[in-house]
Amino acid sequence: QQPVQSPQAVILREGEDAVINCSSSKALYSVHWYRQKHGEAPVFLMILLKGGEQKGHEKISASFNEKKQQSSLYLTASQLSYSGTYFCGTSRGDTDKLIFGTGTRLQVFP
Amino acid sequence: EAGVVQSPRYKIIEKKQPVAFWCNPISGHNTLYWYRQNLGQGPELLIRYENEEAVDDSQLPKDRFSAERLKGVDSTLKIQPAELGDSAVYLCASSSGTLRGEAFFGQGTRLTVV
Repeated sequence: QQPVQSPQAVILREGEDAVINCSSSKALYSVHWYRQKHGEAPVFLMILLKGGEQKGHEKISASFNEKKQQSSLYLTASQLSYSGTYFCGTSRGDTDKLIFGTGTRLQVFP
Repeated sequence: EAGVVQSPRYKIIEKKQPVAFWCNPISGHNTLYWYRQNLGQGPELLIRYENEEAVDDSQLPKDRFSAERLKGVDSTLKIQPAELGDSAVYLCASSSGTLRGEAFFGQGTRLTVV
């Protein structure tokens, strides 16, 4: 039931782009994206609800393909501050539990 | 507005000892989660509360773990007795009760069992 993320790790230079994918074997109601820096709590980035919407947050955006049960997080023109581990969390209903994925570790170098 | 507050931040105990973690969620948040996070892995749900009712505790090892949320506000997670494999970060999160909104996480309690 845990969503699967890919890739497991990404290494970037400042200014490069990256895509992180999140896939589920079950039909999804919502996908939540979080970033966690070492030793800190996960920080919310954005939520996508079923309907195939796409959202943007500065240079970070995401899409949700309900039919494919997949979501992708797009990071453009990456900055050093983007470094951390990205987790997707998925739920199957409005009041269902939130299950987190396996995580993608992103490192941005100057 | 204060965020989710957890205490203690760090705890080191010997195996077979009991330990308790405390969480104060954001005011007005009906939903409270306890997660366990092992090094390099995603948070794993232990228990979810809607107000004072535990609506999902299927992942909670009930032989040694217990939790309560009195009056639907603060929550306590207890382990008794602790085992070496319980070493992890225990995260508390709260949300407004619908998954249309974000879940806010506390700083977590890092437990080390020696």
